[in-house]
Amino acid sequence: AQSVAQPEDQVNVAEGNPLTVKCTYSVSGNPYLFWYVQYPNRGLQFLLKYITGDNLVKGSYGFEAEFNKSQTSFHLKKPSALVSDSALYFCAVRDYRGFKTIFGAGTRLFVKA
Amino acid sequence: GAGVSQSPSNKVTEKGKDVELRCDPISGHTALYWYRQRLGQGLEFLIYFQGNSAPDKSGLPSDRFSAERTGESVSTLTIQRTQQEDSAVYLCASSLTGQTNQPQHFGDGTRLSIL
Repeated sequence: AQSVAQPEDQVNVAEGNPLTVKCTYSVSGNPYLFWYVQYPNRGLQFLLKYITGDNLVKGSYGFEAEFNKSQTSFHLKKPSALVSDSALYFCAVRDYRGFKTIFGAGTRLFVKA
Repeated sequence: GAGVSQSPSNKVTEKGKDVELRCDPISGHTALYWYRQRLGQGLEFLIYFQGNSAPDKSGLPSDRFSAERTGESVSTLTIQRTQQEDSAVYLCASSLTGQTNQPQHFGDGTRLSIL
């Protein structure tokens, strides 16, 4: 069965510092991995995805994520956090055979000025 | 811009009433999904439509929940005899196809409150 774990409910970081939001997954076969961001009272917005190829994926708003097959992880990163990055972040996984996307419980990111 | 549109944005109703939630996907998107997001929690899959294929209803929590989609356009999610535990944000998403590498585009949701 597919599953996604986001081990941190909340991440706090100072503006200008690098940030990491962690995600680990479990799926049979090749995983398709996604990160989404949700701002208050809004739907989820797609940030980036890993399908195949380079393990480092670049996405919107300066975010990137690193796929690590041996550790079954797909951590979201940004070199320099902005206050406006404060939001709820969701990792998601999809089995290459199916349509169903499994979302993690979300990690709330607070960036302090 | 022609994003995913959901209506109403907020709905307050009394326990036992029926509610209907609407989703207009992005034009040309063949795949449509409904999710439920309870306060402070992740997304719970409800139902998936792909083109003219039979929908996957495996996520619907009870027979009080049903959904329809007209061709590849509008979808409605209906909750009958609402209960307080139905209170949540209901999110709709669409994608160009049902292929697994396609990201989903979300509406802003309908916030449902059952009194």
